[in-house]
Amino acid sequence: GDSVTQMEGPVTLSEEAFLTINCTYTATGYPSLFWYVQYPGEGLQLLLKATKADDKGSNKGFEATYRKETTSFHLEKGSVQVSDSAVYFCAGQAGTALIFGKGTTLSVSS
Amino acid sequence: NAGVTQTPKFQVLKTGQSMTLQCAQDMNHEYMSWYRQDPGMGLRLIHYSVGAGITDQGEVPNGYNVSRSTTEDFPLRLLSAAPSQTSVYFCASRQKPTSGGSYEQYFGPGTRLTVT
Repeated sequence: GDSVTQMEGPVTLSEEAFLTINCTYTATGYPSLFWYVQYPGEGLQLLLKATKADDKGSNKGFEATYRKETTSFHLEKGSVQVSDSAVYFCAGQAGTALIFGKGTTLSVSS
Repeated sequence: NAGVTQTPKFQVLKTGQSMTLQCAQDMNHEYMSWYRQDPGMGLRLIHYSVGAGITDQGEVPNGYNVSRSTTEDFPLRLLSAAPSQTSVYFCASRQKPTSGGSYEQYFGPGTRLTVT
């Protein structure tokens, strides 16, 4: 069946460091892909998405490019802030449902 | 718009008790889903619905029932609570995807359930 695999955490960075969180998917066809973010004590919010190969999603300084060749959708940010500390989930649209990765916890210190 | 609302925010149950987690959305979304979130497991799909009167099972449906009598509401019923159902439960909704497209899924704030 369809599945999403993302880098296990936790990831601990200093402010202004470069961030990469890896995500790969296995699916029939080429599903839309998403990154969601969950801040402490809250529900999930959409961070960015891409609906087809070579699409680049971007928001709040975060970027991810849909790579069909490597079935990947890695999340990147050039300079993280303390306020980026959260749990990040990669997800793929599998038919009528979204399939989520296990989440990656990011902690950024000043 | 209130978006997706869930009640209660916190609940403690004893083993064997039953209860209903409420979920409502005011965005006229056709698709609604229930997930549970456990440490190290990410979000796992319990049940979902593609419209009023239509529901289906997700990855972990055992011990849970759902119904969808209206577009707005999608309650989740725990039939006989077990400690393994201690978790954070999230309800979500989104528009029906169009061909070649997709829509953002909106999440409620969650219900933290403890079964003792």
